[in-house]
Amino acid sequence: DAGVIQSPRHEVTEMGQEVTLRCKPISGHNSLFWYRQTMMRGLELLIYFNNNVPIDDSGMPEDRFSAKMPNASFSTLKIQPSEPRDSAVYFCASSLARGANYGYTFGSGTRLTVV
Amino acid sequence: GQNIDQPTEMTATEGAIVQINCTYQTSGFNGLFWYQQHAGEAPTFLSYNVLDGLEEKGRFSSFLSRSKGYSYLLLKELQMKDSASYLCTGFDNYGQNFVFGPGTRLSVLP
Repeated sequence: DAGVIQSPRHEVTEMGQEVTLRCKPISGHNSLFWYRQTMMRGLELLIYFNNNVPIDDSGMPEDRFSAKMPNASFSTLKIQPSEPRDSAVYFCASSLARGANYGYTFGSGTRLTVV
Repeated sequence: GQNIDQPTEMTATEGAIVQINCTYQTSGFNGLFWYQQHAGEAPTFLSYNVLDGLEEKGRFSSFLSRSKGYSYLLLKELQMKDSASYLCTGFDNYGQNFVFGPGTRLSVLP
């Protein structure tokens, strides 16, 4: 199993530019989560999907952030326009079922730097 | 909702035992997870508790008391590679609020 695959691993962009982060969950997992991690705020849940449907996006900072899951094997997190305060590591995670005792499997993360 | 609290940092000696506590407030509780995160890496799943009591898995054990809103992770026979951050997280009966605690940074010294 290849695990949760995220791309890119690193992204450096200028303020105002659009950024798209990508995630491929583990095949068969029906829940997908986007998290953001910073030193100041720790690991924050941005949004999660169940069976490709967004269930809770209350953690999405503002309208500049949007996430989609067009099918069971792909999700994107888009920031438009990006700002320096968006600099963080963005993790995607998937799980077999919401609330199951399997835990979440995290991808390696995308380290985003907005200058 | 949930409010999860953990100590920020802990230090222990190689070969020793360390207990990392986690307290939470929740109006509807469904489960609590512990994760390990090495610097620069992604969190990895360690354990899951849904019932009161101790779950043992090798050198690591996790305990839960739902009535007290309290959990701990017990690490035995500490090794240098156990130096990492340990995160507790929980979710409620509606499957929402996958909130992570701030994490406890454990340093294992020789």
